[in-house]
Amino acid sequence: EAQVTQNPRYLITVTGKKLTVTCSQNMNHEYMSWYRQDPGLGLRQIYYSMNVEVTDKGDVPEGYKVSRKEKRNFPLILESPSPNQTSLYFCASSLPGRLVAFFGQGTRLTVV
Amino acid sequence: DAKTTQPPSMDCAEGRAANLPCNHSTISGNEYVYWYRQIHSQGPQYIIHGLKNNETNEMASLIITEDRKSSTLILPHATLRDTAVYYCIVRSPGANNLFFGTGTRLTVIP
Repeated sequence: EAQVTQNPRYLITVTGKKLTVTCSQNMNHEYMSWYRQDPGLGLRQIYYSMNVEVTDKGDVPEGYKVSRKEKRNFPLILESPSPNQTSLYFCASSLPGRLVAFFGQGTRLTVV
Repeated sequence: DAKTTQPPSMDCAEGRAANLPCNHSTISGNEYVYWYRQIHSQGPQYIIHGLKNNETNEMASLIITEDRKSSTLILPHATLRDTAVYYCIVRSPGANNLFFGTGTRLTVIP
């Protein structure tokens, strides 16, 4: 079954404690991206990757890092999380130049 | 990229057709219309997209006006599981992201 898998689904952490949210897709898609969703602000893109070792900033990249060492995985790294990064995060993948995207189930992150 | 306008909410009786409008009067010639939906807090789900011709798939139909300034997503027989926020997105090929506005909250009523 074609899917995008994120882990963990829920995470509560403390300010400043580094964390990684993993994202994996089994569709051999070249394009992957991360979004965050906040009430009243909709979904906003954090980072995207056109292919292995190619990443670029989206609309709200501050405080986040990503890496793309292999095609299937695109982890989101918060080096020093802060409370304003409390949000619902989604990973997505698609073929390049295509906006028919598959989204993961979401990761609800709370930073206290 | 073109801005879209959707009603904030709509109701539909179960079993009836749900017609969700979207206005995109500033759409340019190479921009497509995409529809996604988000059920509760799940990941957005792709529904359908089109350029200028009407499109139909197993989920829905997309009707685009001849001047392309508006479109309608049609769910032919709405079920309770179609209750979701529906997003109309206009983007050009090669865009790097999807811009999700506020969408239309569709509630299917038993």
